[in-house]
Amino acid sequence: KQEVTQIPAALSVPEGENLVLNCSFTDSAIYNLQWFRQDPGKGLTSLLLIQSSQREQTSGRLNASLDKSSGRSTLYIAASQPGDSATYLCAVTTDSWGKLQFGAGTQVVVTP
Amino acid sequence: GAGVSQSPSNKVTEKGKDVELRCDPISGHTALYWYRQSLGQGLEFLIYFQGNSAPDKSGLPSDRFSAERTGGSVSTLTIQRTQQEDSAVYLCASSFGRTVDYGYTFGSGTRLTVV
Repeated sequence: KQEVTQIPAALSVPEGENLVLNCSFTDSAIYNLQWFRQDPGKGLTSLLLIQSSQREQTSGRLNASLDKSSGRSTLYIAASQPGDSATYLCAVTTDSWGKLQFGAGTQVVVTP
Repeated sequence: GAGVSQSPSNKVTEKGKDVELRCDPISGHTALYWYRQSLGQGLEFLIYFQGNSAPDKSGLPSDRFSAERTGGSVSTLTIQRTQQEDSAVYLCASSFGRTVDYGYTFGSGTRLTVV
């Protein structure tokens, strides 16, 4: 059974520092891996999607890497801002229908 | 519509009552998913629709849970004889086609509290 783990569970950094969020998964047979952001009381916003054949994806200050063979992904957020405060969720797609298996998330607080 | 719409946004119900949760996906999106987010459990898959059919119902936790989709659009998740452990945020997501190709758009969820 696929298990997705996110470390750390919570993270607090001062504004301007780079953020590094880790995600690991136990079964390398995935279709893709996605990083989502969730704000309190809101749904999930997709940040980056990495297909299984890709090694990384970048969008603005965000960069995500994928090492499928070792079952790891890392989300980097450069020059963090207070507006980056949220919970970040990692999820892998486990079948062709697109069913997602989520990690428990990393709660990030960026202090001014 | 512009996004995935879920209603109600909040629902408080008494134990043993039935509830219906509604999801209105983005127009033209053929794939629709229900997930549940509860404290201590994280996000769990419930059911997937492609058009009006549900190829994967494997995540429904018991036979008290059912879902339907009509006209390839609106979906309703029904929970019968609610229990306190059903308290959670129920999230709906839709996709233009296969989510492995197109990704998801999530709604804001329905927060269900069973008292």
